[in-house]
Amino acid sequence: KQEVTQIPAALSVPEGENLVLNCSFTDSAIYNLQWFRQDPGKGLTSLLLIQSSQREQTSGRLNASLDKSSGRSTLYIAASQPGDSATYLCAASEGGGAQKLVFGQGTRLTINP
Amino acid sequence: EAQVTQNPRYLITVTGKKLTVTCSQNMNHEYMSWYRQDPGLGLRQIYYSMNVEVTDKGDVPEGYKVSRKEKRNFPLILESPSPNQTSLYFCASSDLGVPPYEQYFGPGTRLTVT
Repeated sequence: KQEVTQIPAALSVPEGENLVLNCSFTDSAIYNLQWFRQDPGKGLTSLLLIQSSQREQTSGRLNASLDKSSGRSTLYIAASQPGDSATYLCAASEGGGAQKLVFGQGTRLTINP
Repeated sequence: EAQVTQNPRYLITVTGKKLTVTCSQNMNHEYMSWYRQDPGLGLRQIYYSMNVEVTDKGDVPEGYKVSRKEKRNFPLILESPSPNQTSLYFCASSDLGVPPYEQYFGPGTRLTVT
């Protein structure tokens, strides 16, 4: 059974810092891995998706990497801003018919001005 | 605008009173799914559907029903809600014809059962 873990559960950094969020998964047979952002009381916004055959994806100040052999993904945020404050969730897709996403518990990120 | 919509966004109800949470997507996606989010448990899949009239159970289907009569709609039905179904519910959709099958989520429905 796939299990996804995100450490740390919470992170607070000053504005302008570069930071890395970590995601680990137990079963390397994933179809893809998605990173989401969730603002308090709001829905999930898809940030980046990495297919199992890819090593990384970039969007603006965000870069996500995937290492299936070690069961790890990282989300790198460059030049952090207060508006980046949110909970970040990673989710591994099992593929197949269910296309089930197995989510981590999330990292609650606070960027201090 | 491409989106997944859910209604209602907030609902407070009493034990045993049947309710339906609607989900609709305008992207012509074949795949739709329901998740619930609970503190300490994260998001868990309830039901999913790969196309019209094709539905199957996820990890936590007990106490829920779904139907997929139209491609764009995937309602979640709680026939006899109980307090343990108090949760934040999300609907998601994906285009199964276009790898890598990115999933798009609705804004969520916060349900409280007293």
